[in-house]
Amino acid sequence: KNEVEQSPQNLTAQEGEFITINCSYSVGISALHWLQQHPGGGIVSLFMLSSGKKKHGRLIATINIQEKHSSLHITASHPRDSAVYICAVRVIQGAQKLVFGQGTRLTINP
Amino acid sequence: EPEVTQTPSHQVTQMGQEVILRCVPISNHLYFYWYRQILGQKVEFLVSFYNNEISEKSEIFDDQFSVERPDGSNFTLKIRSTKLEDSAMYFCASSRLVQPQHFGDGTRLSIL
Repeated sequence: KNEVEQSPQNLTAQEGEFITINCSYSVGISALHWLQQHPGGGIVSLFMLSSGKKKHGRLIATINIQEKHSSLHITASHPRDSAVYICAVRVIQGAQKLVFGQGTRLTINP
Repeated sequence: EPEVTQTPSHQVTQMGQEVILRCVPISNHLYFYWYRQILGQKVEFLVSFYNNEISEKSEIFDDQFSVERPDGSNFTLKIRSTKLEDSAMYFCASSRLVQPQHFGDGTRLSIL
């Protein structure tokens, strides 16, 4: 079983829609990351969370440590938001590696 | 904003040949990482490097792989004798403290 599971795997929506991508993990973590991977392959870090909620522009990330669940929301979605969104966790205190989910491919149609 | 730089962007190599992937981390960062992503699969951790030595490595990082920080600015990943299954996108990342990690744009390695 994967330590990090994302849903949905693929999501297509119309411009302007509110988007939610979910991430569940099965291990204790010290932090959770949301990353964006563009079609060319480059990875950009969006958020790092250990509790609560963070907001940056139209992006909002939340985490519930007790339920081992995180969500990434995009408000007023735009075609330029089309990308693969990846959840990754840092598993134990002192460990440095990130364990990645399989990603959610988001397509926003104009 | 400072960036992690990887070269080359695409490397094509014959099976059995040695390949070196190069990364220039952000200048004041102390932790360095290599990850790989086989086409269509999730990103996987290979190795982390701190204070001039490997601090953690995965099962993937066997004797065919090595890392080096030869001159205080570059961070390299060497694959000694490449196999077809080494074909993947390789990402370098760096961080000032253990996290957050900043990623390069990746090197696409194609083994023929």
